[in-house]
Amino acid sequence: GENVEQHPSTLSVQEGDSAVIKCTYSDSASNYFPWYKQELGKGPQLIIDIRSNVGEKKDQRIAVTLNKTAKHFSLHITETQPEDSAVYFCAASYYYKLSFGAGTTVTVRA
Amino acid sequence: DGGITQSPKYLFRKEGQNVTLSCEQNLNHDAMYWYRQDPGQGLRLIYYSQIVNDFQKGDIAEGYSVSREKKESFPLTVTSAQKNPTAFYLCASSIPGISTGELFFGEGSRLTVL
Repeated sequence: GENVEQHPSTLSVQEGDSAVIKCTYSDSASNYFPWYKQELGKGPQLIIDIRSNVGEKKDQRIAVTLNKTAKHFSLHITETQPEDSAVYFCAASYYYKLSFGAGTTVTVRA
Repeated sequence: DGGITQSPKYLFRKEGQNVTLSCEQNLNHDAMYWYRQDPGQGLRLIYYSQIVNDFQKGDIAEGYSVSREKKESFPLTVTSAQKNPTAFYLCASSIPGISTGELFFGEGSRLTVL
């Protein structure tokens, strides 16, 4: 099955700086790569996703890049704000099953 | 308001007891999922259902059971056969299609075995 590895496990950044989270996946058939944000005591929420026919996607301060050849994808958050503090999960899927990374706890320091 | 409702939010169980976690959705989604979340391990798929009266095992189905008698409901039973049931359980739903789309999660149920 699909194996998704996510790094780093924790990330502390100064407010206004950028944050980058990287993920690798094992199944070359995977074609959908979402990122979820989980705030304390809540369920995860989709923040951005990318499909295998696209190399990069942006939505305001967040962007995702995908390198299918190397089987890795990354989340970039620019101009970080305190409300960006949360746990972020990457995932990869082929058909109906999503496999998640272990998560990155992001802390934005004021 | 459309969404997914999980109950109870917190649940305590004695060893050897079965417990059932409720998941109800009013998003009219066909697909529903149960995930288990443990610290440092991400989300692991327990069971999923693409349509009423049908469900499949996920990666860690041992010690769990589900039913899907109604489109809106997908309850999860944690049986006494589950060796380490203390965890945070998340239910989700989606519109199934050719490939996976967005999962909508509930707020979770935290189960503690005493």
